[in-house]
Amino acid sequence: KNEVEQSPQNLTAQEGEFITINCSYSVGISALHWLQQHPGGGIVSLFMLSSGKKKHGRLIATINIQEKHSSLHITASHPRDSAVYICAVRPDTGNQFYFGTGTSLTVIP
Amino acid sequence: DSGVTQTPKHLITATGQRVTLRCSPRSGDLSVYWYQQSLDQGLQFLIQYYNGEERAKGNILERFSAQQFPDLHSELNLSSLELGDSALYFCASSVGRVTNEKLFFGSGTQLSVL
Repeated sequence: KNEVEQSPQNLTAQEGEFITINCSYSVGISALHWLQQHPGGGIVSLFMLSSGKKKHGRLIATINIQEKHSSLHITASHPRDSAVYICAVRPDTGNQFYFGTGTSLTVIP
Repeated sequence: DSGVTQTPKHLITATGQRVTLRCSPRSGDLSVYWYQQSLDQGLQFLIQYYNGEERAKGNILERFSAQQFPDLHSELNLSSLELGDSALYFCASSVGRVTNEKLFFGSGTQLSVL
């Protein structure tokens, strides 16, 4: 049973395209994290959301608590955005973390 | 640079052995988290410590243990190693103990069990 589902699994885009990665979860949550993992392996936390919408540069993250769904948008995509994007949730009961399997994004120049 | 330091970066060992992975959190962060990332299972949460005390437990095997010391650095001990323990082990830190805090990740320790 996967508490967190991400789509798509793989995504190839042309430079400049608008990109959307989706995350659906099945548990009540206190927070949702979007993580970025580059080919070298390091992980960077992009956003932590408990409601609404956050924006940082060309990245926008939204969450709909009622629908148990979050999206990560990348505007004007660039080859340096090529990475694996991982959605993670913290349930509102207990202190677990559940991770999605990640979306592998390749942006072609 | 996240400010979280993990050592060693790479570790190669044999089945049945025991290893210790070390993590120093960002200055001022009281929580340390350990995660395992393997090719077949993806990222999994292992355990969280807050100010020296175990705060949350995930999918951590009984052969694995962790602790957080008074200076807030943490160690993850893996014993009776099996081939399937080969993975990338990350630690992360956050300021406090609440669930809606941003995480800062170390660069990971790549463990290879031969």
